[in-house]
Formats: sequence, structure tokens, C-alpha cells
Amino acid sequence: DAKTTQPTSMDCAEGRAANLPCNHSTISGNEYVYWYRQIHSQGPQYIIHGLKNNETNEMASLIITEDRKSSTLILPHATLRDTAVYYCIVRVADGGTSYGKLTFGQGTILTVHP
Amino acid sequence: NAGVMQNPRHLVRRRGQEARLRCSPMKGHSHVYWYRQLPEEGLKFMVYLQKENIIDESGMPKERFSAEFPKEGPSILRIQQVVRGDSAAYFCASSPTGSNTEAFFGQGTRLTVV
Repeated sequence: DAKTTQPTSMDCAEGRAANLPCNHSTISGNEYVYWYRQIHSQGPQYIIHGLKNNETNEMASLIITEDRKSSTLILPHATLRDTAVYYCIVRVADGGTSYGKLTFGQGTILTVHP
Repeated sequence: NAGVMQNPRHLVRRRGQEARLRCSPMKGHSHVYWYRQLPEEGLKFMVYLQKENIIDESGMPKERFSAEFPKEGPSILRIQQVVRGDSAAYFCASSPTGSNTEAFFGQGTRLTVV
């Protein structure tokens, strides 16, 4: 089962920042936070991941709280093409029976409107 | 660097036939994951393989399904005696290791059982 909780859906105006929250209150010290998105039944697309520090790349920023129990994915200037299902996933970094695999929950349906 | 390649993109099988789905990981990637997405549902983990080894098959149905990732060639997901309920999109992902590195997904194979 997924170890994350996300809102079912969110709306965002084109050109504005989209802030997608994720709760992972039971995250362990050896688990990373990953974000993927799936646009209209295409293959999931990797966005970003982090352990405890905030991360930024060309697509998005990831803000992880100090206690690591929650995080926020930020799309700084959302476009219509960012409409997708966004998945927040915790992934074991080393060892254990869950090593390596990504367990997808229901995700957040983000709709970007004009 | 080519991405994860899955073929065929669409596959139609009659009930009782066999389906073979192929996944060529990205160059340098030795870890492969298979996922299934039923219509209007989320992504479900099936199996995680490393070259010549099955690491985690906890999501594989007990019968009719098998997977392999030989030393040479693509990973194969094999479904014997397909039934209508096997109709789904099957996605493959690859990563260089199972640890804190991105896993990249292919565009999937849409299997339709008639």
C-alpha cells in the first residue's frame, strides 16, 4: 500500500504556481520522496526526488519539511500541458523487501485552466 | 540516449492465447520494473528484476504470469492463456540501480483480449 496521502484533485490557473501537497507521516530514514506524473495514460514521467533537503530542477521544486512528514511539489509557472495525475511516492533507498520499487497511490489530478 | 522502449505498443489477443510484452531498458540500466494499469485505475506494481534475477515478484498473479530479464536482450513479461480481465496497459521502468536513482518509464503496451 502507498504510504502517502494526497488530495484527490486540485485546480490551478495557467501561469500561476501549482503547489501540490503530500503527507508521508510514517516515512523512514532510508526512504526518499519521489514525484511522478502521468499525462492521459502515457507512461509515468519522473519529476524530482529528495531525501531531506529541498531540491530544484528544470521542471519543479520539492520542499520537504524538517521532520520529513510532508512535502510540497511546486510547478512555478503551470501551463495547460501540466494537466496530469501527480503521484507522490516514498521509495526505500537501500535494503529490505521493498527495496527499489515505486508504490503508486491514487495521486492528485491537477487541472490547469486558462 | 534512447529511453525505455516497449513493444509492441498495442497487442490484441484472443482468449486463451499467449501475450509476450518486451521491455528494453535504457542503456546502462540493469534494474527493470513492470506495472499494470487497468482501465480507470492506478498503477499496480507487478515485479522487479535485475539481470537474470527476480528481486521482488510480490505483485505478480500466482498463475499464468511470468517475467524474465536475461543477461542479453530485453525483459519479457509473459501472460499465458489470457483472459478478458488481463486487458490493461502494461508499463515497464528501468533504473541504473535500485537505490536513490530515477526510474524511467516506457510508453507502455496496451493489451486487449477479445
